[in-house]
Amino acid sequence: EVQLVESGGGLVKPGGSLRLSCAASGFSFSSYTMYWVRQAPGKGLEWVSYISSSSSYIYYADSVKGRFTISRDNVKKSLYLQMNSLRAEDTAVYYCARDALEGDYDLQSDGMDVWGQGTTVTVSS
Amino acid sequence: EIVLTQSPGTLSLSPGERATLSCRASQSVSSDLAWYQHKPGQAPRLLVYGASSRATGIPDRFSGSGSGTDFTLTISRLEAEDFAVYYCQQYGSSPNTFGQGTKLEI
Repeated sequence: EVQLVESGGGLVKPGGSLRLSCAASGFSFSSYTMYWVRQAPGKGLEWVSYISSSSSYIYYADSVKGRFTISRDNVKKSLYLQMNSLRAEDTAVYYCARDALEGDYDLQSDGMDVWGQGTTVTVSS
Repeated sequence: EIVLTQSPGTLSLSPGERATLSCRASQSVSSDLAWYQHKPGQAPRLLVYGASSRATGIPDRFSGSGSGTDFTLTISRLEAEDFAVYYCQQYGSSPNTFGQGTKLEI
């Protein structure tokens, strides 16, 4: 079964750090672009970051650029999001997602076809 | 950054009716647009990519159209499980962006 499972969410104080993980199974993880997408309470989906299959291409939303770092370990079949200098507005459910297009591309996509169930990050004092 | 504007914000319809959802981009995204369905407590579900290609396993009552700046998701005959929030997303340039969503309610 193709599956993504996020972990690492929790309560953190403003200015703190957190590292999210996403464990992949049931598919050739090293062949797919991966994403982080978030949804703040009562808000819509927000694209956060993108990493190509070989880690050659990496992009961030302006709202997190310079504070968040996306990475992946293709041997461990895992995706990560290191979040530093956290703010209240980073409070959200964070989803990892897979691109439907297999291969190493720069911004080519067939949409995000596999999603995890999400992990909740709360930034509050 | 490309801004996607979805309309209407809320669409109230009944099962069996036809739903037409709109997504307008602030600049051309060619056909680099996807549609997702999102229900509370669940992961989003990919419906359409490339503006008009149905994703694997998606019923043919869902169809996408458009290119450039104007896109439409049509649900031909609404079923009870179709009531959800729908998002468009452009992936032609970074940052990728989502629209603000259209809530489809009974």
